[in-house]
Amino acid sequence: DAGVIQSPRHEVTEMGQEVTLRCKPISGHDYLFWYRQTMMRGLELLIYFNNNVPIDDSGMPEDRFSAKMPNASFSTLKIQPSEPRDSAVYFCASSSTRGEEGTEAFFGQGTRLTVV
Amino acid sequence: RKEVEQDPGPFNVPEGATVAFNCTYSNSASQSFFWYRQDCRKEPKLLMSVYSSGNEDGRFTAQLNRASQYISLLIRDSKLSDSATYLCVVKYDTGKLIFGQGTTLQVKP
Repeated sequence: DAGVIQSPRHEVTEMGQEVTLRCKPISGHDYLFWYRQTMMRGLELLIYFNNNVPIDDSGMPEDRFSAKMPNASFSTLKIQPSEPRDSAVYFCASSSTRGEEGTEAFFGQGTRLTVV
Repeated sequence: RKEVEQDPGPFNVPEGATVAFNCTYSNSASQSFFWYRQDCRKEPKLLMSVYSSGNEDGRFTAQLNRASQYISLLIRDSKLSDSATYLCVVKYDTGKLIFGQGTTLQVKP
């Protein structure tokens, strides 16, 4: 398996534009997480899904952020409209509850977003 | 109060030193615990799980104290290659994974 795949790796956009980040989890994994990382706030959980259903979106900063998981192999995180304070590295991670308890989460390489 | 708290450091230690990181968590419903490692501009990767009885993996030892809601990581005989950020992770029974802010370690020759 190629691991968790995120695209794009880098995104530079102007304030007010819509940004869509994409994630392909590891095949067979039933959990998918979206995190945002900044120097000031560390790694923050935005939202997570179980079997394609959003379980907890309490970390989504505001209504400008939305996430979907239309099927087991694809998820998107959308910011509309984007603002400079959204600049961060956005990570997607997936994990499986099947098999051994406490299985690890595997991360994608992240999308570095810069909003100017 | 943050759900998972760590001292951000940085910890600057010489090669060969022993260094310990601590982490506290606030939710007693926490089910599983992990230490992750993150290198500069890279994604976090699992270093080791933390078991109730404590566990060791080479130079690394992890301990869990559920009563005090406290996790620790001990690194013996530090190597230059251990320089990284170490993230404490708590998993709830809902599957939710919460990361601490991380502790930065710099091992110097």
